[in-house]
Amino acid sequence: GAGVSQTPSNKVTEKGKYVELRCDPISGHTALYWYRQSLGQGPEFLIYFQGTGAADDSGLPNDRFFAVRPEGSVSTLKIQRTERGDSAVYLCASRAQGQTSTGELFFGEGSRLTVL
Amino acid sequence: AQSVTQLDSQVPVFEEAPVELRCNYSSSVSVYLFWYVQYPNQGLQLLLKYLSGSTLVKGINGFEAEFNKSQTSFHLRKPSVHISDTAEYFCAVRGPGGGFKTIFGAGTRLFVKA
Repeated sequence: GAGVSQTPSNKVTEKGKYVELRCDPISGHTALYWYRQSLGQGPEFLIYFQGTGAADDSGLPNDRFFAVRPEGSVSTLKIQRTERGDSAVYLCASRAQGQTSTGELFFGEGSRLTVL
Repeated sequence: AQSVTQLDSQVPVFEEAPVELRCNYSSSVSVYLFWYVQYPNQGLQLLLKYLSGSTLVKGINGFEAEFNKSQTSFHLRKPSVHISDTAEYFCAVRGPGGGFKTIFGAGTRLFVKA
């Protein structure tokens, strides 16, 4: 597609459940980022993929959070045993790589997660 | 480690007045600097960026920002705001090269009043 696509746009779940959030980046973008944005806050870095590998996962808050990008395109953020504090908007962004890259991130509209 | 401080959480301003949104960064190496805007119910989009060269950077919608290395600042300005500029503005920093993450500030809510 033309832009970064995230699904679902809204997800309501119960505490303790498992959740998957999907990101489809701009075609050809090799770099993919996940961020979390809580109400009134800026995006908080979670993980960065370069191709299929996680180049930096230092922002994942704990081992309940995991992300994959098996074919270097679509990525899935997985949250196990969800807690109320996980409620936030999860943002995905992609970036072009190479000499033509301006460093700009292209964001999706986010997946709003609500844990009851 | 890199960090970004946006000094004002909210900035109310009247339409057609000038505005400055302040941003300071902390980094031990040369960085790339960005301002992103988030309109209500929309995703973040790039306003402008500083990579190198001229310290005065012009972006979309009449916004500009000035990189000041000695002050480690990258303040955003617009000489005359419109109601439609009401949004959340985020300053961000990234290190050079392809492997560095982009770090965002907490944001400044610009509220333009008629």
